[in-house]
Amino acid sequence: QVQLVQSGAEVKKPGSSVKVSCKASGGTFSSYTINWVRQAPGQGLEWMGRIIPILGIANYAQKFQDRVTMTADKATGTAYMELSSLTSEVTTVYYCARSPTAHDAFDLWGQGTMVTVSS
Amino acid sequence: QSVLTQPPSVSGAPGQRVTISCTGSSSNIGAGYDVHWYQQLPGTAPKLLMSGNSNRPSGVPDRFSGSKSGSSASLAITGLQVEDEADYYCQSYDSRLSGSGVFGGGTKLTVL
Repeated sequence: QVQLVQSGAEVKKPGSSVKVSCKASGGTFSSYTINWVRQAPGQGLEWMGRIIPILGIANYAQKFQDRVTMTADKATGTAYMELSSLTSEVTTVYYCARSPTAHDAFDLWGQGTMVTVSS
Repeated sequence: QSVLTQPPSVSGAPGQRVTISCTGSSSNIGAGYDVHWYQQLPGTAPKLLMSGNSNRPSGVPDRFSGSKSGSSASLAITGLQVEDEADYYCQSYDSRLSGSGVFGGGTKLTVL
């Protein structure tokens, strides 16, 4: 049974970058799309973008266009989301979530990765 | 400001029925994109509750049902149980945003 396993919590300095990984444990990405969604404490879900690993094509939400990069390593079944120019925002949880196509439901979610930005 | 609009909170007593609305526009739900619903229990990752407007994934009780009409959708929960207390999010896509994913602001369900 496939699970999405994300990398551990991170503490970063303002202005730095963070790279979160999402590995398909027990399987591969196949032709699925990997989406990235973030959530600040007590706040709602926010879609950041998607990547189709088999094609290597990524699309980003306009809000993050200038500072996010999503990549995938088909050989290891791992997707990555790198966010740069981190500001002293509140601690945010980043989720990867799988969808069968680019416009489908997110049928499998990672456990989340908490990123704290603090000087 | 979320692209999809949900009520911040709803509540009901055990055994009752509640509905959660999700209102969009002609560029998302009204454009024909499906609506999906997620349940998020405290401290956990969201879980798919309803896909393609009204399709329950395996394991989701039939107490949950979904519908879509025009630019809106709704999630109904019958026979409320204490364990249904959670945050619920609707999600779709938006053509005005180049097919980006969009979420509702979330609805906190309290079981009284």
